[in-house]
Amino acid sequence: AQKITQTQPGMFVQEKEAVTLDCTYDTSDPSYGLFWYKQPSSGEMIFLIYQGSYDQQNATEGRYSLNFQKARKSANLVISASQLGDSAMYFCAMRERTGGGADGLTFGKGTHLIIQP
Amino acid sequence: DAGVTQSPTHLIKTRGQQVTLRCSPISGHKSVSWYQQVLGQGPQFIFQYYEKEERGRGNFPDRFSARQFPNYSSELNVNALLLGDSALYLCASSLVGQGDYGYTFGSGTRLTVV
Repeated sequence: AQKITQTQPGMFVQEKEAVTLDCTYDTSDPSYGLFWYKQPSSGEMIFLIYQGSYDQQNATEGRYSLNFQKARKSANLVISASQLGDSAMYFCAMRERTGGGADGLTFGKGTHLIIQP
Repeated sequence: DAGVTQSPTHLIKTRGQQVTLRCSPISGHKSVSWYQQVLGQGPQFIFQYYEKEERGRGNFPDRFSARQFPNYSSELNVNALLLGDSALYLCASSLVGQGDYGYTFGSGTRLTVV
């Protein structure tokens, strides 16, 4: 089973509109972290936002917010007032506590977001 | 401050050859992780090193190996290259090996195997 599922391979959005990128996850670990990264065509993964499994409030970072619904195992990224520079691949990722102490991230397949003028 | 630096940026190798990729973490970061990103997919975890010891390994064959040096820089080695090893290899550094969420990625090394 997929640990991270992103069901939107691609999205076209008009500039200045809000965007919601979907992410569902699967884990039996009570302690985990959820991340969203942006990857422009240059290849670098840019950290956007983080949500811990025990965090009571939804995370926010500027124009980015994370709609965390723990019971539904959902961690959607919301971008308000989209800009042309937001066009990129967006990846949802999860960190679980492994027995060996490693904290490698598991990524979804990504959503290609294109902002149209 | 310098971010995570990776070298080389691009590389072309022939099947069966060996390759070494390098990563320098952000100053003060002691944990380095390696990821493979095949075209059209999300990155896949290969290794994590913390304080020069391997802390975790993803589902990759023994042809893949890595090490971390006293200055916390790291090398990823891939032996007996296959066409399927063609990918973007990303390095990420973080402040601690467990429990912290501050992963910073480099721009990657794009490896092409012909």
